[in-house]
Amino acid sequence: SQQGEEDPQALSIQEGENATMNCSYKTSINNLQWYRQNSGRGLVHLILIRSNEREKHSGRLRVTLDTSKKSSSLLITASRAADTASYFCATGYSSASKIIFGSGTRLSIRP
Amino acid sequence: GAVVSQHPSRVICKSGTSVKIECRSLDFQATTMFWYRQFPKKSLMLMATSNEGSKATYEQGVEKDKFLINHASLTLSTLTVTSAHPEDSSFYICSAELPGTAKSFTEAFFGQGTRLTVV
Repeated sequence: SQQGEEDPQALSIQEGENATMNCSYKTSINNLQWYRQNSGRGLVHLILIRSNEREKHSGRLRVTLDTSKKSSSLLITASRAADTASYFCATGYSSASKIIFGSGTRLSIRP
Repeated sequence: GAVVSQHPSRVICKSGTSVKIECRSLDFQATTMFWYRQFPKKSLMLMATSNEGSKATYEQGVEKDKFLINHASLTLSTLTVTSAHPEDSSFYICSAELPGTAKSFTEAFFGQGTRLTVV
């Protein structure tokens, strides 16, 4: 099953620009997480935001969560070539320990 | 962070054979592990939740007899793709959660994935 839809599906920007990715989900959540996946590789956890939080920062990453709109955004500032990857949001629930992934955004950073 | 090791990273097998993929938590005991499947340029689809010492919980539409999951110890879960066919070719990824965090979930730790090609 898949909970979240991500927007855009693909994003290409110039190095140094900011990248914004959005995630919408359908049912109530306990937390929302963002992961990065380089082509054909495993996933790297980026940041987790709980349902009672509205914004969280980690280095060049900024995540917001709007539970009323059931949406989240991931902002990567001052993008670098190494940020080229697929980014997934994943929703977690208090009723079960599993997490469900969104459809993902493929981010390409042009040098 | 915690380390999850998945083996093999790549496997090619003949149609009709079975393939076993291992997922190990190297520096912690994982009572719960998860198995995902990912098609090219697509998202991860949860296949099943693997519970140590009990039967796995499969997601709707996942064939239990096709994808056998065994979680015999606190550090190892295995996924066996039985009687593999070309349509089973995919990227399979496991993850494990730290014990005691289920209700206040922190993050999942992922293996590096296994690329299965059935010829």
